[in-house]
Amino acid sequence: GAGVSQTPSNKVTEKGKYVELRCDPISGHTALYWYRQSLGQGPEFLIYFQGTGAADDSGLPNDRFFAVRPEGSVSTLKIQRTERGDSAVYLCASSLIHRGGGEGYTFGSGTRLTVV
Amino acid sequence: DQQVKQNSPSLSVQEGRISILNCDYTNSMFDYFLWYKKYPAEGPTFLISISSIKDKNEDGRFTVFLNKSAKHLSLHIVPSQPGDSAVYFCAASGGGGSNYKLTFGKGTLLTVNP
Repeated sequence: GAGVSQTPSNKVTEKGKYVELRCDPISGHTALYWYRQSLGQGPEFLIYFQGTGAADDSGLPNDRFFAVRPEGSVSTLKIQRTERGDSAVYLCASSLIHRGGGEGYTFGSGTRLTVV
Repeated sequence: DQQVKQNSPSLSVQEGRISILNCDYTNSMFDYFLWYKKYPAEGPTFLISISSIKDKNEDGRFTVFLNKSAKHLSLHIVPSQPGDSAVYFCAASGGGGSNYKLTFGKGTLLTVNP
C-alpha cells in the first residue's frame, strides 16, 4: 500500500483481556518496528523485525507482550492479560532495509489502546 | 533515566518569526540525530537529520545545529508558518550496533500564530 496501515485505529478493552494490534507495512519493506507512546511521552522502542525474525525484542516490557511477523510482511503485536498501564498509542514503522539512523522509517498512524 | 530531553513542553511564535526547538542528550554513543514532526492522530514524519560528524544541516526553512561537546542540538525554523504547528520530537540513534533503534524525547508542541 501507499503507507503503513495500522488496525484498529482505536481499541478499548477490559483489564485482563487479550488484544491483537495489526500492522501492514509498505510493500517490499523488510524492516518493521513497533514503538509505544504513552501520554506525555515520546515513542519508546519495543521490537524490530528484519524479515520474519525478531532481530531485537529488548524493548518489550514483559512476557505479556509478544509480536510476530510470520511471512515477513504483516506484523501482529499481541498483549495478554492487559493492564491499565498498557494504555498508550502503539506505533508501527517500516523501512526498505534497516536504515541506520531511522531516516528511512515510515510510521503508521498508530492504534490507540485504552484498557478500562 | 531519560537519554534524550526536550525541556520545553511548548513554544508559541508569531508567523514569519524564527522558531527554535532545543534538545539535550546524555548518551555519548549516539551518532545520528533526527527531528520528527507529528500532527494529531497521525504518525511521526521525518523532518531533518544530522550525523555526529557534522555541526549543521540545512533543508529549506529547517536547519539543525549540533553541539557535540555540549550534547545539545536545536532545530531552527525560519520563517515559521501556521502549518508548522505540530509536536516536534527529537530522536537519537547509534552505538552498539543498534542504530535502527530510535530514542525519542518527550516532544515540544509548537504553535505558530497567524
